[in-house]
Amino acid sequence: EPEVTQTPSHQVTQMGQEVILRCVPISNHLYFYWYRQILGQKVEFLVSFYNNEISEKSEIFDDQFSVERPDGSNFTLKIRSTKLEDSAMYFCASIPGTGKRRDEQFFGPGTRLTVL
Amino acid sequence: DAKTTQPTSMDCAEGRAANLPCNHSTISGNEYVYWYRQIHSQGPQYIIHGLKNNETNEMASLIITEDRKSSTLILPHATLRDTAVYYCIARMEYGNKLVFGAGTILRVKS
Repeated sequence: EPEVTQTPSHQVTQMGQEVILRCVPISNHLYFYWYRQILGQKVEFLVSFYNNEISEKSEIFDDQFSVERPDGSNFTLKIRSTKLEDSAMYFCASIPGTGKRRDEQFFGPGTRLTVL
Repeated sequence: DAKTTQPTSMDCAEGRAANLPCNHSTISGNEYVYWYRQIHSQGPQYIIHGLKNNETNEMASLIITEDRKSSTLILPHATLRDTAVYYCIARMEYGNKLVFGAGTILRVKS
């Protein structure tokens, strides 16, 4: 079965540095999401993306965050100036938008971001 | 999205059915009940969803009460690999974000 992939699996960065987390959603999927999970806490929604624009974002997704789909396959999350509290597992997800499984969110394995 | 309430944790013997309850007394008529699970820090995994009829797939069955105020996820023959956090989420279909609560920690024991 096709899978969502994410790179890197673990990213360590210094506070104040920019990071880019990369995701390759499943081909032909239409909706894309980023979620994060701080260790021991709930999975939290960050942003959804459809038709090359943000369709919804949470309060967490402030000016330090941005998303991009630079080509037909990659979906990236950029954090401009990382803070200690950005340390978390970041999950990318996508949904087909059509067909029998049109609303099933397929999650990637996550990128663990550690900010020192 | 309607709030859902789930027990914090449950144990189940390997090979037995695991029945995970969820209360969603404020669910609206166009909100579906979704179940996802998360196995130890992996990405959440879709299990099943339904509106008012009972649903079954290769992973599980979903039983929704007639008044739709509660539901039960059934894993018919739990295995050790089913040990995970199970999330019950009420939301409208199609494209909306998932709002995760704390879920139920299911421990399957041999």
